[in-house]
Amino acid sequence: DAGVTQSPTHLIKTRGQHVTLRCSPISGHKSVSWYQQVLGQGPQFIFQYYEKEERGRGNFPDRFSARQFPNYSSELNVNALLLGDSALYLCASSRDSIRRGYTFGSGTRLTVV
Amino acid sequence: GENVEQHPSTLSVQEGDSAVIKCTYSDSASNYFPWYKQELGKGPQLIIDIRSNVGEKKDQRIAVTLNKTAKHFSLHITETQPEDSAVYFCAASDGGTSYGKLTFGQGTILTVHP
Repeated sequence: DAGVTQSPTHLIKTRGQHVTLRCSPISGHKSVSWYQQVLGQGPQFIFQYYEKEERGRGNFPDRFSARQFPNYSSELNVNALLLGDSALYLCASSRDSIRRGYTFGSGTRLTVV
Repeated sequence: GENVEQHPSTLSVQEGDSAVIKCTYSDSASNYFPWYKQELGKGPQLIIDIRSNVGEKKDQRIAVTLNKTAKHFSLHITETQPEDSAVYFCAASDGGTSYGKLTFGQGTILTVHP
């Protein structure tokens, strides 16, 4: 069984640009969450989607948006990139609720220059 | 919102020794407490979790204890091995109302010396 796959693995963008990160959950998993992990810190919750509906949003500006597709894959979009957006972006999937346990992907390393 | 504090930030032990990492949380509604291990270049991997109706859970060399009254939970690793070296994160969630939201601690860098 394939795990949670994220693409791209690494990305370099310029300030002010837009970026789209992609996530494919484990087969059969309907819930996808996004986290931002700044170097040396724990992951911070950005969004959670279940059955294509947003179920939770963290304390991030409106420049961050996401969506989930009918096949349960997901995209995270960030507009008007700032230097402070440089981080590892992690996607996690679960069959339904968090109590089933979340499986994380290896992340997308975003560098904003 | 929930706040999770994790200590120590770094922990160095000799192979075979035990390692203990402690976390405290602030939201009494939290009822699910997972622990993750993150190796370099990888995403966090769930190693053990505990729910609020349980005080202790073991899985081979790993155990987690939960004290709901004091709002703290701990990870215990016995007979440590060099491959246990990684960053460990505790997390908390209230499960029901914040569907998928995990609040993580700051992490503990564990180094096991051969």
